[in-house]
Amino acid sequence: EIVLTQSPGTLSLSPGERATLSCRASQYVPSRYLAWYQQKPGQAPRLLIFGASNRAAGTPVRFSGDGSETDFTLTISRLEPEDFAVYYCQQYSSSVFTFGPGTKVQVK
Amino acid sequence: QVQLRESGPGLVMPSQTLSLACSVSGTTVSTGTYYWSWIRQSAGKGLEWIGRIYNGGDIDSNPSLRRRVTLSIDSSKNQFFLKLTSVTAADTAVYYCTRGALGWLDPWGQGTLVLVSS
Repeated sequence: EIVLTQSPGTLSLSPGERATLSCRASQYVPSRYLAWYQQKPGQAPRLLIFGASNRAAGTPVRFSGDGSETDFTLTISRLEPEDFAVYYCQQYSSSVFTFGPGTKVQVK
Repeated sequence: QVQLRESGPGLVMPSQTLSLACSVSGTTVSTGTYYWSWIRQSAGKGLEWIGRIYNGGDIDSNPSLRRRVTLSIDSSKNQFFLKLTSVTAADTAVYYCTRGALGWLDPWGQGTLVLVSS
Protein backbone atom coordinates (compact mmCIF):
# COMPACT_ATOMS: atom_id res chain seq x y z
CA GLU A 1 0.00 0.00 0.00
CA ILE A 2 1.27 3.42 -0.95
CA VAL A 3 1.49 5.80 2.01
CA LEU A 4 1.00 9.52 1.42
CA THR A 5 2.66 12.09 3.68
CA GLN A 6 1.51 15.70 3.64
CA SER A 7 3.43 18.69 4.90
CA PRO A 8 3.14 20.89 6.71
CA GLY A 9 0.44 19.60 9.01
CA THR A 10 -0.79 23.13 9.56
CA LEU A 11 -0.13 26.25 7.52
CA SER A 12 -0.89 29.63 9.09
CA LEU A 13 -1.23 32.35 6.49
CA SER A 14 -3.07 35.60 5.86
CA PRO A 15 -5.58 36.26 3.06
CA GLY A 16 -3.76 37.25 -0.10
CA GLU A 17 -0.71 35.15 0.69
CA ARG A 18 0.52 32.17 -1.32
CA ALA A 19 0.05 28.66 0.05
CA THR A 20 2.23 25.73 -0.96
CA LEU A 21 1.16 22.28 0.19
CA SER A 22 3.25 19.15 -0.27
CA CYS A 23 2.25 15.52 -0.78
CA ARG A 24 4.92 12.84 -0.84
CA ALA A 25 4.26 9.21 -1.77
CA SER A 26 6.14 6.20 -0.42
CA GLN A 27 6.27 4.78 -3.97
CA TYR A 28 5.86 5.96 -7.54
CA VAL A 29 2.38 7.28 -8.34
CA PRO A 30 1.37 7.89 -11.96
CA SER A 31 0.40 11.54 -12.23
CA ARG A 32 -2.96 10.66 -13.69
CA TYR A 33 -3.84 8.94 -10.39
CA LEU A 34 -3.08 11.80 -8.00
CA ALA A 35 -5.90 14.05 -6.79
CA TRP A 36 -6.42 16.86 -4.28
CA TYR A 37 -9.54 17.58 -2.21
CA GLN A 38 -10.69 20.46 -0.03
CA GLN A 39 -12.76 19.87 3.09
CA LYS A 40 -14.47 22.51 5.19
CA PRO A 41 -15.92 21.82 8.67
CA GLY A 42 -19.11 19.79 8.54
CA GLN A 43 -18.82 19.21 4.81
CA ALA A 44 -17.73 16.36 2.58
CA PRO A 45 -14.43 16.59 0.75
CA ARG A 46 -14.65 18.30 -2.64
CA LEU A 47 -12.47 17.40 -5.61
CA LEU A 48 -10.15 20.26 -6.57
CA ILE A 49 -7.47 18.73 -8.78
CA PHE A 50 -7.29 15.43 -10.65
CA GLY A 51 -4.49 13.94 -12.67
CA ALA A 52 -2.04 15.94 -10.53
CA SER A 53 -2.60 19.20 -12.42
CA ASN A 54 -6.11 19.36 -13.87
CA ARG A 55 -8.62 21.62 -12.19
CA ALA A 56 -12.00 20.04 -11.53
CA ALA A 57 -15.13 21.84 -12.64
CA GLY A 58 -15.66 24.88 -10.45
CA THR A 59 -12.13 25.00 -9.09
CA PRO A 60 -10.84 28.59 -9.19
CA VAL A 61 -7.74 29.26 -11.28
CA ARG A 62 -5.81 30.34 -8.16
CA PHE A 63 -5.55 26.61 -7.37
CA SER A 64 -2.86 24.72 -9.25
CA GLY A 65 -1.34 21.27 -8.96
CA ASP A 66 2.05 20.04 -10.03
CA GLY A 67 4.49 17.23 -9.50
CA SER A 68 5.35 13.72 -10.57
CA GLU A 69 6.53 10.33 -9.40
CA THR A 70 6.58 10.69 -5.61
CA ASP A 71 6.40 14.46 -5.04
CA PHE A 72 3.31 16.55 -5.68
CA THR A 73 2.34 20.10 -4.79
CA LEU A 74 -0.89 22.05 -4.48
CA THR A 75 -0.48 25.81 -4.71
CA ILE A 76 -3.04 28.48 -3.90
CA SER A 77 -1.69 31.63 -5.49
CA ARG A 78 -3.56 34.16 -3.35
CA LEU A 79 -5.62 32.93 -0.44
CA GLU A 80 -9.24 33.99 -0.34
CA PRO A 81 -11.25 33.82 2.91
CA GLU A 82 -13.12 30.73 1.65
CA ASP A 83 -9.85 28.83 1.06
CA PHE A 84 -9.13 28.27 4.74
CA ALA A 85 -9.84 24.56 5.06
CA VAL A 86 -8.18 21.15 5.17
CA TYR A 87 -6.60 19.77 2.00
CA TYR A 88 -6.03 16.10 1.26
CA CYS A 89 -4.07 14.39 -1.45
CA GLN A 90 -5.20 10.97 -2.68
CA GLN A 91 -3.65 8.34 -4.92
CA TYR A 92 -4.89 5.29 -6.72
CA SER A 93 -2.75 2.32 -7.63
CA SER A 94 -3.10 -1.47 -7.74
CA SER A 95 -6.86 -1.09 -7.24
CA VAL A 96 -6.40 0.62 -3.86
CA PHE A 97 -7.00 4.24 -2.93
CA THR A 98 -5.15 5.97 -0.11
CA PHE A 99 -5.35 9.47 1.30
CA GLY A 100 -2.82 11.68 3.00
CA PRO A 101 -3.45 12.91 6.57
CA GLY A 102 -4.26 16.40 5.38
CA THR A 103 -2.87 19.93 5.65
CA LYS A 104 -4.92 22.48 7.54
CA VAL A 105 -4.68 26.00 6.12
CA GLN A 106 -5.68 28.41 8.87
CA VAL A 107 -5.82 32.16 9.29
CA LYS A 108 -2.69 33.64 10.78
CA GLN B 1 -26.25 17.75 -11.50
CA VAL B 2 -25.12 14.48 -9.98
CA GLN B 3 -25.99 14.07 -6.32
CA LEU B 4 -25.47 11.24 -3.86
CA ARG B 5 -27.11 10.72 -0.50
CA GLU B 6 -26.28 8.19 2.17
CA SER B 7 -28.93 6.61 4.38
CA GLY B 8 -28.98 4.06 7.15
CA PRO B 9 -28.97 3.64 10.92
CA GLY B 10 -26.94 6.12 12.88
CA LEU B 11 -26.36 3.65 15.71
CA VAL B 12 -25.14 0.07 15.39
CA MET B 13 -24.48 -2.38 18.22
CA PRO B 14 -21.01 -3.89 18.51
CA SER B 15 -20.60 -7.19 16.63
CA GLN B 16 -23.61 -6.37 14.43
CA THR B 17 -23.71 -5.44 10.75
CA LEU B 18 -23.58 -1.87 9.52
CA SER B 19 -25.78 -1.39 6.45
CA LEU B 20 -25.85 1.78 4.36
CA ALA B 21 -27.46 2.75 1.09
CA CYS B 22 -26.43 5.47 -1.34
CA SER B 23 -29.12 6.99 -3.52
CA VAL B 24 -27.93 8.54 -6.76
CA SER B 25 -29.69 11.27 -8.73
CA GLY B 26 -28.77 13.15 -11.88
CA THR B 27 -27.23 10.08 -13.47
CA THR B 28 -27.62 6.31 -13.38
CA VAL B 29 -25.47 3.78 -11.55
CA SER B 30 -25.65 1.62 -14.66
CA THR B 31 -23.32 3.88 -16.64
CA GLY B 32 -20.19 2.01 -17.52
CA THR B 33 -17.99 5.08 -17.35
CA TYR B 34 -17.93 5.38 -13.59
CA TYR B 35 -17.65 3.30 -10.47
CA TRP B 36 -19.25 3.79 -7.06
CA SER B 37 -17.26 3.98 -3.86
CA TRP B 38 -17.53 4.16 -0.10
CA ILE B 39 -15.13 6.21 2.04
CA ARG B 40 -15.18 6.73 5.77
CA GLN B 41 -13.64 9.37 7.99
CA SER B 42 -12.86 9.06 11.66
CA ALA B 43 -10.81 11.22 13.96
CA GLY B 44 -8.33 8.45 14.49
CA LYS B 45 -7.72 7.28 10.93
CA GLY B 46 -8.57 10.21 8.70
CA LEU B 47 -10.03 9.38 5.29
CA GLU B 48 -10.15 5.66 4.58
CA TRP B 49 -11.25 4.08 1.31
CA ILE B 50 -13.58 1.13 1.88
CA GLY B 51 -14.24 -0.15 -1.61
CA ARG B 52 -15.78 0.38 -5.01
CA ILE B 53 -18.23 -1.38 -7.27
CA TYR B 54 -18.91 -1.19 -10.98
CA ASN B 55 -22.35 -1.70 -12.44
CA GLY B 56 -21.14 -4.96 -13.93
CA GLY B 57 -20.45 -6.20 -10.42
CA ASP B 58 -16.66 -5.97 -10.34
CA ILE B 59 -15.52 -5.03 -6.84
CA ASP B 60 -12.31 -3.80 -5.26
CA SER B 61 -11.98 -3.25 -1.54
CA ASN B 62 -9.49 -2.14 1.06
CA PRO B 63 -7.42 -5.16 2.06
CA SER B 64 -7.75 -4.17 5.71
CA LEU B 65 -11.56 -4.40 5.53
CA ARG B 66 -12.05 -6.93 2.75
CA ARG B 67 -13.21 -9.88 4.81
CA ARG B 68 -15.93 -7.78 6.46
CA VAL B 69 -17.15 -5.72 3.50
CA THR B 70 -19.93 -6.51 1.06
CA LEU B 71 -20.76 -4.11 -1.76
CA SER B 72 -23.77 -4.35 -4.02
CA ILE B 73 -25.64 -2.28 -6.57
CA ASP B 74 -29.28 -2.10 -7.65
CA SER B 75 -29.76 -0.43 -10.99
CA SER B 76 -33.56 -0.58 -10.72
CA LYS B 77 -33.42 1.61 -7.60
CA ASN B 78 -30.40 3.63 -8.76
CA GLN B 79 -28.69 2.80 -5.48
CA PHE B 80 -25.61 1.04 -4.22
CA PHE B 81 -24.99 -0.47 -0.81
CA LEU B 82 -22.42 -1.17 1.87
CA LYS B 83 -22.49 -3.88 4.49
CA LEU B 84 -19.78 -4.06 7.12
CA THR B 85 -19.96 -7.03 9.47
CA SER B 86 -18.72 -7.57 13.01
CA VAL B 87 -18.42 -3.86 13.78
CA THR B 88 -16.51 -2.46 16.73
CA ALA B 89 -16.05 1.01 18.14
CA ALA B 90 -13.22 1.45 15.64
CA ASP B 91 -15.82 1.47 12.86
CA THR B 92 -17.43 4.62 14.25
CA ALA B 93 -17.03 7.20 11.51
CA VAL B 94 -18.72 9.43 8.99
CA TYR B 95 -19.42 7.29 5.95
CA TYR B 96 -19.46 8.87 2.49
CA CYS B 97 -20.54 7.49 -0.85
CA THR B 98 -18.92 8.85 -3.99
CA ARG B 99 -18.73 8.42 -7.72
CA GLY B 100 -15.35 7.62 -9.19
CA ALA B 101 -13.65 8.02 -12.54
CA LEU B 102 -10.17 6.71 -13.26
CA GLY B 103 -8.33 7.63 -10.07
CA TRP B 104 -10.46 10.34 -8.50
CA LEU B 105 -13.72 10.66 -6.61
CA ASP B 106 -16.39 13.20 -7.44
CA PRO B 107 -18.97 14.11 -6.29
CA TRP B 108 -19.38 13.00 -2.68
CA GLY B 109 -22.51 12.57 -0.63
CA GLN B 110 -22.98 14.72 2.45
CA GLY B 111 -21.96 11.84 4.70
CA THR B 112 -23.71 9.98 7.48
CA LEU B 113 -22.40 9.47 10.99
CA VAL B 114 -22.49 5.90 12.23
CA LEU B 115 -21.82 5.32 15.90
CA VAL B 116 -20.99 1.83 17.09
CA SER B 117 -22.08 1.54 20.68
CA SER B 118 -24.18 -0.55 23.00
